[in-house]
Amino acid sequence: DGGITQSPKYLFRKEGQNVTLSCEQNLNHDAMYWYRQDPGQGLRLIYYSQIVNDFQKGDIAEGYSVSREKKESFPLTVTSAQKNPTAFYLCASKRSRAANQPQHFGDGTRLSIL
Amino acid sequence: GQQLNQSPQSMFIQEGEDVSMNCTSSSIFNTWLWYKQDPGEGPVLLIALYKAGELTSNGRLTAQFGITRKDSFLNISASIPSDVGIYFCAGQLFGNTGNQFYFGTGTSLTVIP
Repeated sequence: DGGITQSPKYLFRKEGQNVTLSCEQNLNHDAMYWYRQDPGQGLRLIYYSQIVNDFQKGDIAEGYSVSREKKESFPLTVTSAQKNPTAFYLCASKRSRAANQPQHFGDGTRLSIL
Repeated sequence: GQQLNQSPQSMFIQEGEDVSMNCTSSSIFNTWLWYKQDPGEGPVLLIALYKAGELTSNGRLTAQFGITRKDSFLNISASIPSDVGIYFCAGQLFGNTGNQFYFGTGTSLTVIP
């Protein structure tokens, strides 16, 4: 089955700890994205990558880091510098840089602070 | 970042009623997407629109790309209980080579049986 897999579904972080959220896709999509979702707000872009070994900051990149070493994988690290990390994190992918392509989403990871 | 104004924020309707929601922007978009999100899940793509004036249906759902390129609407006909969820619009700016999408704040739909 083709799709986008995010893991874990739930994640807990202690103060001062870095945590990494996994996102894997087997759709052969070029572009991948990370969003943060807070209650009552639209999705806000953290980072995106259009090609392997390249990524750009989104609107709220501070306190986060990413890597794109493989086409199918785009892990997100929430660092201790992110002071309000509790949120629902969504990974998405898109087939190419062409304009007429939609984004598809994974099922999300809910991050909470202990 | 770019903001999309989505309305209404929430709707409570009787089963069988029709639903209409819309998104507007101050900028021109070349793509409009509509998603549905269930609690604790990721958004699922409902309809994608790529041309101004385009009207597309997906079962009981119909969406249109506004002629001005600054708005889009989604209609749901004859609502059923499983239509409950949050509906999001998303758009890509005209001339955007950065592949970024922008999202509305969502319309929460409750269907009363």
